[in-house]
Amino acid sequence: GQQLNQSPQSMFIQEGEDVSMNCTSSSIFNTWLWYKQDPGEGPVLLIALYKAGELTSNGRLTAQFGITRKDSFLNISASIPSDVGIYFCAGQRAGTASKLTFGTGTRLQVTL
Amino acid sequence: KAGVTQTPRYLIKTRGQQVTLSCSPISGHRSVSWYQQTPGQGLQFLFEYFSETQRNKGNFPGRFSGRQFSNSRSEMNVSTLELGDSALYLCASSLEASLPGELFFGEGSRLTVL
Repeated sequence: GQQLNQSPQSMFIQEGEDVSMNCTSSSIFNTWLWYKQDPGEGPVLLIALYKAGELTSNGRLTAQFGITRKDSFLNISASIPSDVGIYFCAGQRAGTASKLTFGTGTRLQVTL
Repeated sequence: KAGVTQTPRYLIKTRGQQVTLSCSPISGHRSVSWYQQTPGQGLQFLFEYFSETQRNKGNFPGRFSGRQFSNSRSEMNVSTLELGDSALYLCASSLEASLPGELFFGEGSRLTVL
């Protein structure tokens, strides 16, 4: 099945550092979303983007919907230990309701 | 407000058997979708049900099926299990009035096929 290309695959950062990750697709999406998954849990929605070029923040998280509608990025500022987990981008096409295409995931580990 | 509840959380089956997984959505949510998560293929969409009707379907063989009941609870069934069906099966629910992609996931049912 299709997966979106997400990078980096994993990253180790120190507490307090900023983090950037991005997601690219060969086809366009009408909605871009970022989810986080903790061990033993299902993914949790962090940010949703509905318009090309849109920049949205949720606390220390900022995400952008690429102007070509084929990419998105997520920034986390001043990382803290609870930011540890796997971050997934997801794209959704118009009229497909809950059918999301997920990225390959970025595993974030934070050292004190 | 209770979240999405999936049962069982863990199960072990052998090749050729069949399995049924259950999902209770958040109260008031009428859309239920199912995803398969594996290390190799990541999160893949299986199908979505709304008001007891399948609304979307992913690219999985016919061995994978589902249904939704009038109370919005959903079940998925996998028949003639194969080793490659070992995965975490995630259920997600949403409100019809939700913004696109706003899904609430359960903790998943981890299936191991031996």
